[in-house]
Amino acid sequence: EVQLLESGGGLVQPGGSLRLSCAASGFTFSSYAMSWVRQAPGKGLEWVSAISGSGDSTYDADVVKGRFTISRDNAKNTLYLQMNNLRADDTAVYYCAKPRVTITVITVFDHWGQGTLVTVSS
Amino acid sequence: DIVMTQSPDSLAVSLGERATINCKSSQSVLYSSNNKNYLAWYQQKPGQPPKLLIYWASTRESGVPDRFSGSGSGTEFTLTISSLQAEDVAVYYCQQYYNTPPITFGGGTKVEIK
Repeated sequence: EVQLLESGGGLVQPGGSLRLSCAASGFTFSSYAMSWVRQAPGKGLEWVSAISGSGDSTYDADVVKGRFTISRDNAKNTLYLQMNNLRADDTAVYYCAKPRVTITVITVFDHWGQGTLVTVSS
Repeated sequence: DIVMTQSPDSLAVSLGERATINCKSSQSVLYSSNNKNYLAWYQQKPGQPPKLLIYWASTRESGVPDRFSGSGSGTEFTLTISSLQAEDVAVYYCQQYYNTPPITFGGGTKVEIK
């Protein structure tokens, strides 16, 4: 059974940093590109970042470029999101999402974690 | 970036009746080389992550009830719930995954019981 378990969320001041983790199990982690998708309170879904299965290629939404860094440790089956210079509008539930098929980075997601809440506030 | 626009924002439908949700993309998501529409639909219930319902615009994900169907091509798409059940109350999102990043989602449509 596929499981994705996010952690690392919390309350942080504007300008601060946070690192999110997503522990994956139940599938061959290194074969799948992975993404982070966020959802502000009461709002819709927003794709944030993606990384290839090997970790060699990364893609970011313009709104987080230069501030967020996606990475992965395939030996630990874990996905990360390093978030720096956080702003109030980064407040959201952050989900890690597994694609339905291997290799393809830009695709649909058939499994999602339960999410971790990041609140940026002074 | 491809902008996805859903309509309506919300709708109330009686149990057993049909619910129809529309999604328009700002450019075609039909890939001519394989004749596939790079369009998916998700369902999100309160307090839960999204659940994949349909991909390639009309292919139901395994385990999804056949009352859910997707149609459309190019820039205009529809999600239909043929006979609304109480457990279908949720917000529904379309998503395009055509070509290069970013992946983009529609704004969501909230479905309620009338």
